Amino acid sequence: GIQVEQSPPDLILQEGANSTLRCNFSDSVNNLQWFHQNPWGQLINLFYIPSGTKQNGRLSATTVATERYSLLYISSSQTTDSGVYFCAVDDRDDKIIFGKGTRLHILP
Amino acid sequence: NAGVMQNPRHLVRRRGQEARLRCSPMKGHSHVYWYRQLPEEGLKFMVYLQKENIIDESGMPKERFSAEFPKEGPSILRIQQVVRGDSAAYFCASSLVYRTYPYEQYFGPGTRLTVT
Repeated sequence: GIQVEQSPPDLILQEGANSTLRCNFSDSVNNLQWFHQNPWGQLINLFYIPSGTKQNGRLSATTVATERYSLLYISSSQTTDSGVYFCAVDDRDDKIIFGKGTRLHILP
Repeated sequence: NAGVMQNPRHLVRRRGQEARLRCSPMKGHSHVYWYRQLPEEGLKFMVYLQKENIIDESGMPKERFSAEFPKEGPSILRIQQVVRGDSAAYFCASSLVYRTYPYEQYFGPGTRLTVT
């Protein structure tokens, strides 16, 4: 089945810093989503982005489908950005496969 | 415009008891998915249901686990004779369409099951 790898696994940054999170996938996909799981466990949809670039405030994402990766950019980090960021793609059977996530900790 | 609802949010069961987890999809959504998240891991697909039908249960353990999505009422994930290894967060998601791209899954807050 399709493999989804996220990097880095852990990231500790000072408030105000910028970060780039990466998601590599092993096969072509029809669907890619980025989620933020906050410290209370809630999963929040960030982007639906099977290709191209999208921006939402301090967050933006780019997926290069032909090269099988997606990037999530967080600018001017805030402590509320802490949590785990998951990338999820559809496999050929249309099941969503999650990566193991990047755990982000923003220090005040 | 309520999102995906799950209850209970936290559930404690002793080994051997049954656990019932409920999920009400977003209004207008007829596709429901259940996922399990073990500590420090990503979510793993368990089952996909439409109203009164199980479409794909390839991620669900063959024994003790079952799921339904009746014509009326929420989707239920049932775990019989729970064991400590069932302790996890169980998430439900719903979508408006399926296999008609683009589509997004929206997740509920999850049910955290602890087996003592």
